[in-house]
Amino acid sequence: GNSVTQMEGPVTLSEEAFLTINCTYTATGYPSLFWYVQYPGEGLQLLLKATKADDKGSNKGFEATYRKETTSFHLEKGSVQVSDSAVYFCALTTLSTGANSKLTFGKGITLSVRP
Amino acid sequence: GAVVSQHPSRVICKSGTSVKIECRSLDFQATTMFWYRQFPKQSLMLMATSNEGSKATYEQGVEKDKFLINHASLTLSTLTVTSAHPEDSSFYICSARVSGTYEQYFGPGTRLTVT
Repeated sequence: GNSVTQMEGPVTLSEEAFLTINCTYTATGYPSLFWYVQYPGEGLQLLLKATKADDKGSNKGFEATYRKETTSFHLEKGSVQVSDSAVYFCALTTLSTGANSKLTFGKGITLSVRP
Repeated sequence: GAVVSQHPSRVICKSGTSVKIECRSLDFQATTMFWYRQFPKQSLMLMATSNEGSKATYEQGVEKDKFLINHASLTLSTLTVTSAHPEDSSFYICSARVSGTYEQYFGPGTRLTVT
């Protein structure tokens, strides 16, 4: 079956620090990989995605590269801001346009950025 | 584009009553919608997959008679929590899959509190 493992949290950083959030996966077939962000009291927003090996997803200064050899999709940002404080979920799906493109989520990690 | 709304955003109800939550895709058609439940500081748990015009597919352990799902149109799915009990209190989130793609867009969530 499919599974996503995220590093344990929470993570607390000072503003402008470098961020890495680890994510590894196991999947049958060829997964598409996602990072979602959830701000307090809100639903999830798609942050970035990658659909095949060596693809790099990027958005709002965040980046993640689809590494098939290490089955990883680590999230990075060079300089975090207070507004980046949120919960981050790594996720995958192995069905592209099938009837049920279920997402498998990691447990999520809370990021707090101090001014 | 790709906006999903949920209504209500918060609801408080008495034990034994039923509550209906609506999920709408505002600017796209969604043949498939998903309903998730999220407990505090935890990941999303997929409850069921809702396909327009057909019966929902429930995940193992989810009571279909308690969580009634109706997907009557390409832009609307509803979740009814019947005979609610305090243990049903949770954050319920829906997502909608853009027809023909694997991308899911999430609603802002509904906070249900059963007293």
